Amino acid sequence: AQTVTQSQPEMSVQEAETVTLSCTYDTSENNYYLFWYKQPPSRQMILVIRQEAYKQQNATENRFSVNFQKAAKSFSLKISDSQLGDTAMYFCAFIPYNNNDMRFGAGTRLTVKP
Amino acid sequence: NAGVTQTPKFRVLKTGQSMTLLCAQDMNHEYMYWYRQDPGMGLRLIHYSVGEGTTAKGEVPDGYNVSRLKKQNFLLGLESAAPSQTSVYFCASSTWTNPNYGYTFGSGTRLTVV
Repeated sequence: AQTVTQSQPEMSVQEAETVTLSCTYDTSENNYYLFWYKQPPSRQMILVIRQEAYKQQNATENRFSVNFQKAAKSFSLKISDSQLGDTAMYFCAFIPYNNNDMRFGAGTRLTVKP
Repeated sequence: NAGVTQTPKFRVLKTGQSMTLLCAQDMNHEYMYWYRQDPGMGLRLIHYSVGEGTTAKGEVPDGYNVSRLKKQNFLLGLESAAPSQTSVYFCASSTWTNPNYGYTFGSGTRLTVV
């Protein structure tokens, strides 16, 4: 069974600094997607960034970037120039191609301090 | 474009009562999902549907039933609520035809069973 592990239940960072959230996953699949979702206090699940396993280049979305290490099954999220609005729960998620069971990690609660 | 809409947003039930959560999407997505979110456990899949008239079990299906009579709607039913079903419930939808694959989530339903 696929599992996703986020080893940091809580993290904090000063405004304008950089923070990295960790995620590892376990799978025997070769083709899959990885995601980071943000859940602010509003409870809405917001897609932050997406990575396809066959793409070697790490995905970036403005201040958000990932470090995807397929052999190590690692998928970390880097947030640069942290803003107060980045305060939220962040979930790492994994789904194989043509599958219908996206697996989520337990989440990391990030607090950005002024 | 409303995306995925869940009703109700909050509900309190007494043990043994029944209720139905409604999910509606207007993106013509083939796939729909029901997840529950519990502290420290991320999101876990309850049931899903790959098309109108079809449903399947996910990771934690016990105590729940679902129906998808129309492509845009996915209903989650609790026949006899138990305190262990106190949780936040999320509906999501997706389509594999979108090259920017990902789930679109509703805003969640907080259910308390007393």
